[in-house]
Amino acid sequence: GAGVSQTPSNKVTEKGKYVELRCDPISGHTALYWYRQSLGQGPEFLIYFQGTGAADDSGLPNDRFFAVRPEGSVSTLKIQRTERGDSAVYLCASSDRDRGSYNEQFFGPGTRLTVL
Amino acid sequence: AQKITQTQPGMFVQEKEAVTLDCTYDTSDQSYGLFWYKQPSSGEMIFLIYQGSYDEQNATEGRYSLNFQKARKSANLVISASQLGDSAMYFCAMREGPNFGNEKLTFGTGTRLTIIP
Repeated sequence: GAGVSQTPSNKVTEKGKYVELRCDPISGHTALYWYRQSLGQGPEFLIYFQGTGAADDSGLPNDRFFAVRPEGSVSTLKIQRTERGDSAVYLCASSDRDRGSYNEQFFGPGTRLTVL
Repeated sequence: AQKITQTQPGMFVQEKEAVTLDCTYDTSDQSYGLFWYKQPSSGEMIFLIYQGSYDEQNATEGRYSLNFQKARKSANLVISASQLGDSAMYFCAMREGPNFGNEKLTFGTGTRLTIIP
């Protein structure tokens, strides 16, 4: 079946602009996660959705970052007033909490965001 | 303190040899899970293997095995009979708490493995 997909694959924007990054999870997966991976680092947790609600947003760095999942499937990560330090690869993952014994997360290919 | 420590930034291994990638972790939880992911140059994170804190046996998945030493808080990944396609970044990650409680994964900084023909 289809895996997690993310669009766009690359996004270049100017400092101060607004961007939206989209994630399509694996069909039927109720849990969705956003991570950010800076160059030379491991992924860093941003936010986790269970269904439509954000169950844990403790990783969002500040109020410029916001994410939604209105119908419990597709999610959008929104970044306002982008800064050069926001440049990173943004990874999305999903999991099926109703099956499996250890809740493995399946990752998408990521969106590479570059803020000039 | 770092929750996940991977001390090998890079490793070079001859094809067909076995390789061990080190991972130590820090948690005060009794229940936790440890994961290894592979990240090829394409960027996608590929799940390899999982070890639960209460699992008595070391996890194995094909050529991958996890050398779990709970007292030492160590969860090293062993890849047997390495192949050229194993060249990638490898990340160790931990989820603290029970499987369906705290959901977020904390990752280490990774090890870049290069297999030499």
